[in-house]
Amino acid sequence: AQSVTQLDSQVPVFEEAPVELRCNYSSSVSVYLFWYVQYPNQGLQLLLKYLSGSTLVKGINGFEAEFNKSQTSFHLRKPSVHISDTAEYFCAVTRWGAGGTSYGKLTFGQGTILTVHP
Amino acid sequence: GAVVSQHPSRVICKSGTSVKIECRSLDFQATTMFWYRQFPKQSLMLMATSNEGSKATYEQGVEKDKFLINHASLTLSTLTVTSAHPEDSSFYICSARVDYNEQFFGPGTRLTVL
Repeated sequence: AQSVTQLDSQVPVFEEAPVELRCNYSSSVSVYLFWYVQYPNQGLQLLLKYLSGSTLVKGINGFEAEFNKSQTSFHLRKPSVHISDTAEYFCAVTRWGAGGTSYGKLTFGQGTILTVHP
Repeated sequence: GAVVSQHPSRVICKSGTSVKIECRSLDFQATTMFWYRQFPKQSLMLMATSNEGSKATYEQGVEKDKFLINHASLTLSTLTVTSAHPEDSSFYICSARVDYNEQFFGPGTRLTVL
């Protein structure tokens, strides 16, 4: 089984400051990694994903994340945040190559609420 | 891009009634859809995997008779909360799998049971 831990439940930052949202995972098999954003009372939108290849992944809205296999981490970063980035962010994993009922199932972290202050 | 819709977006019902929530993939076909439940200030919990033309696969601890899932076509899955009670009040989100490493999420349905 997989598990995901988001180390910070809330991250307050000022506008135009850099931010890092931390995510660690645990899995006995290889995984794909994802970051999603959720605005209030809405579904989830994919920010970026790591499948293979370069460990630095760039996503939408200026976000990027780096996969670190040795530290089993996939931290999300943005060099300069905007008020509009205020939302909840979820890190998620899925087993790759899994078949049957595990096919495509996502395991989510607990979420990190990013609040950007003016 | 792939769009997933849910209907209704918000529903309030009396205890003991049943509520049906629809999840549609608007511009693509989805053989697999997932249903999640999200409590306030918590993460998403996978309830079940819905496969077109076959029975849904429920996660451990989810009552299949309580949460009926039907995936009758490649673009529609429905979740029926039967005999709803206040503890069933939650935010229900569906997703449609495009391939094994990507899902598109619906906007969610807020269910309030009085």
